[in-house]
Amino acid sequence: DAGVIQSPRHEVTEMGQEVTLRCKPISGHDYLFWYRQTMMRGLELLIYFNNNVPIDDSGMPEDRFSAKMPNASFSTLKIQPSEPRDSAVYFCASSHRLAGVSDEQYFGPGTRLTVT
Amino acid sequence: SQQGEEDPQALSIQEGENATMNCSYKTSINNLQWYRQNSGRGLVHLILIRSNEREKHSGRLRVTLDTSKKSSSLLITASRAADTASYFCAGHMFSGGYNKLIFGAGTRLAVHP
Repeated sequence: DAGVIQSPRHEVTEMGQEVTLRCKPISGHDYLFWYRQTMMRGLELLIYFNNNVPIDDSGMPEDRFSAKMPNASFSTLKIQPSEPRDSAVYFCASSHRLAGVSDEQYFGPGTRLTVT
Repeated sequence: SQQGEEDPQALSIQEGENATMNCSYKTSINNLQWYRQNSGRGLVHLILIRSNEREKHSGRLRVTLDTSKKSSSLLITASRAADTASYFCAGHMFSGGYNKLIFGAGTRLAVHP
């Protein structure tokens, strides 16, 4: 398996622009997680899905952030409009249905977002 | 914050030495996991220890868990330069009405040849 795939790997955009991050989880994994990593705040859970349904979005910073999972093999995290404080590395992770939230999560390589 | 606290924040050792990293957390957990992150990469799961376990081994890794002290430690024996990475503990807990993993701030380990 190719593992969790994220695109793009790097994104540089100007303040106010829309940013869309993409994730393909490992086939057969029913849970998908979006995390954000910064030096100041560490690794934060933004939202997670189970069987394509959003379960916990309490970590989403504000309404500018939205996430979707239209099918089992694809998810997006959108920021509109983007702000410099959104600059971070965004990770997608997935886990098997038997593991759920409580067991091993497989992380993608991350998308480094820079908003100028 | 519900995040775990890890110490030290940074650790520098020579190849062959042992490295010990500690993690403390504030709320009850169901299990505690350790992950490694190489520079510019995603996190990789290393080991999981359940709340009813006290010690677990995997290769050169040894993890302990003390639920009374709400703390865990990760020991890497006979370290290698390839062990250079950041190490994170993550507690599985029930928070805000949901099960989730809460990650610590991490320990940056540098192993010098």
